Amino acid sequence: GAGVSQSPSNKVTEKGKDVELRCDPISGHTALYWYRQSLGQGLEFLIYFQGNSAPDKSGLPSDRFSAERTGGSVSTLTIQRTQQEDSAVYLCASSRNWGNTIYFGEGSWLTVV
Amino acid sequence: GQNIDQPTEMTATEGAIVQINCTYQTSGFNGLFWYQQHAGEAPTFLSYNVLDGLEEKGRFSSFLSRSKGYSYLLLKELQMKDSASYLCAVRDLGGNQGGKLIFGQGTELSVKP
Repeated sequence: GAGVSQSPSNKVTEKGKDVELRCDPISGHTALYWYRQSLGQGLEFLIYFQGNSAPDKSGLPSDRFSAERTGGSVSTLTIQRTQQEDSAVYLCASSRNWGNTIYFGEGSWLTVV
Repeated sequence: GQNIDQPTEMTATEGAIVQINCTYQTSGFNGLFWYQQHAGEAPTFLSYNVLDGLEEKGRFSSFLSRSKGYSYLLLKELQMKDSASYLCAVRDLGGNQGGKLIFGQGTELSVKP
């Protein structure tokens, strides 16, 4: 596609359920980033992929969070046993390797009730 | 680790010029990015600096001094639509960072008539 595509756009889930968030980066972009942004807050780094590898997983808040990327393209962020504090917008971004432009998707708005 | 500082909020008048400063500390600097984010929307790429100096793009300019760990974003001929949060972000290759992009907390700019 022309831009970074994320799905779902909005997700309301019950506390304790698992959710999967998907990111489809711009074609040819090897670097892929996941961020979380709570209301009125800055962007919190979660994880970064270079190809299918994740050099840095230090931003994942707990072991309930995991992410994978297959085929150097689509990435999935999984949150298990969701908690209310997980409510936020989850943003994905991609770029060419060490590229000078990093593009964001529109985000997946997650609400845990 | 990384430390990125920018003012929390600024106010300016329509038609004026405003400069938003950003200071950073990284172990492996590989580029500084500025993004604009309107409330409820994803960040939009504005500029990228990796060498010292000024990059100009229409009403927006960005400056970098690597020796001082300092950047600024200059907005000229301010318009009401420029009211937004402006995010400074640094790509860091230091340690095992692998090139992740770290964001400051953002500067909320309010443009008044």
